[in-house]
Order: sequence, then structure tokens, then C-alpha cells
Amino acid sequence: ILNVEQSPQSLHVQEGDSTNFTCSFPSSNFYALHWYRWETAKSPEALFVMTLNGDEKKKGRISATLNTKEGYSYLYIKGSQPEDSATYLCAFSPYNAGNMLTFGGGTRLMVKP
Amino acid sequence: SQTIHQWPATLVQPVGSPLSLECTVEGTSNPNLYWYRQAAGRGLQLLFYSIGIDQISSEVPQNLSASRPQDRQFILSSKKLLLSDSGFYLCAWSVLLGGPTPPGYTFGSGTRLTVV
Repeated sequence: ILNVEQSPQSLHVQEGDSTNFTCSFPSSNFYALHWYRWETAKSPEALFVMTLNGDEKKKGRISATLNTKEGYSYLYIKGSQPEDSATYLCAFSPYNAGNMLTFGGGTRLMVKP
Repeated sequence: SQTIHQWPATLVQPVGSPLSLECTVEGTSNPNLYWYRQAAGRGLQLLFYSIGIDQISSEVPQNLSASRPQDRQFILSSKKLLLSDSGFYLCAWSVLLGGPTPPGYTFGSGTRLTVV
């Protein structure tokens, strides 16, 4: 069983605050790390897929970094807005089963106006 | 373009009743198909995946079964629902490995199942 953990489980911030959360995953047999954004009553939406140690991806105010040697990824949101409120999921896929994603429990972000 | 359809969106079923959730994919051939569940307060748990027609792998032994009668159709079933089957069910598809980018998933819109 692959262990993918996210912290914190939930986070309340004020509009305009910057925030970050963590995904930890196995450091061996790494193939890819995915981040998804899941709004209530909608489908999870892909944000990033990261493959190389030291990778940094950016999409608007959201960015992510990857450390495959120590098995963690950070997701950053700069200047949080109420529309950023969602659950952020990370998912790990191993080299010998690249189609199989193991998801973390998610970080639920709530941004207060 | 590829689309994925999942229905119904919500379902309230009594304990002991049967279940059938359907997922279909359009615009692609030979997709990998997946059923996930999110129980209350928990993360996404892989239930079943399929790499082809009638090829189903079960990740968690339980009260549910899956079938893939056609290339782009994936069905989740139960003969008798339990209270513990309540949760949010998501269908997803991905392409096969081999492209330049590791394949992520495209998810359906989900089914909220409440067993009463």
C-alpha cells in the first residue's frame, strides 16, 4: 500500500493571504506527482503533473514544487481569493504502474472574503 | 474532444437494495477506466480499474463489483447495499502510458450515494 499524505487536512485563510500545503509520497520508484483542484459539486480538475526532481510549475497564482529525493511536494497559492476555496488533492504514480494514481486525503482550503 | 459521463448525480437507496452506476467515455478508444470512492471524511480510494473489455481489477475486497461490457462503458454494481457503501463515487479515465507526459485522470461529475 502506497502512503500519500497531505497536510493540513483543512485550512481557513483570509482573502489576500498566501498559503501553502504539503504532499508527502514514497521517495522510491517515483514516476509522477499530480495535483488536482476539487470544487464542491464538480469533478476534480488537473492542475499540474510533475516528473523531475526540482520541478516547479506555475498556473496564475498557484505554483508547485517537487522534491523526489525526500518525497514531498508543496502547493502555494499567492493572494488567496474566495474562488480558490476547494479541496486540493495530490496523487502519486509509481514507475512500474504509471497509470495508477494513489491519492492523498486532500487539503480543504476555505478563503474568507 | 474527450468527454466522460457519469450518472446518476445523486441516489438514495435503502439497505439491501441493488446498485448500478454507469460511466461512459466519448472521443477516445481503449481508455483505462477507474472507479473511486470518497467516504465521509476520507480521501479517494481506488475501487476498481480496467485496462480493457472484461478486464477488471479489484483493489479493495467489498460488497461491490464492476463490469466493462464495452470499450468505453464502465459499470459499478452491488447486489445488496450496506450502510457503509454510502459515499461519493467518481469514475475516471486515462490514456495508456507511452506518451511524453505521464497520463493523469479525467474525472466524471460523480455520484452521491446515500444508503438509508
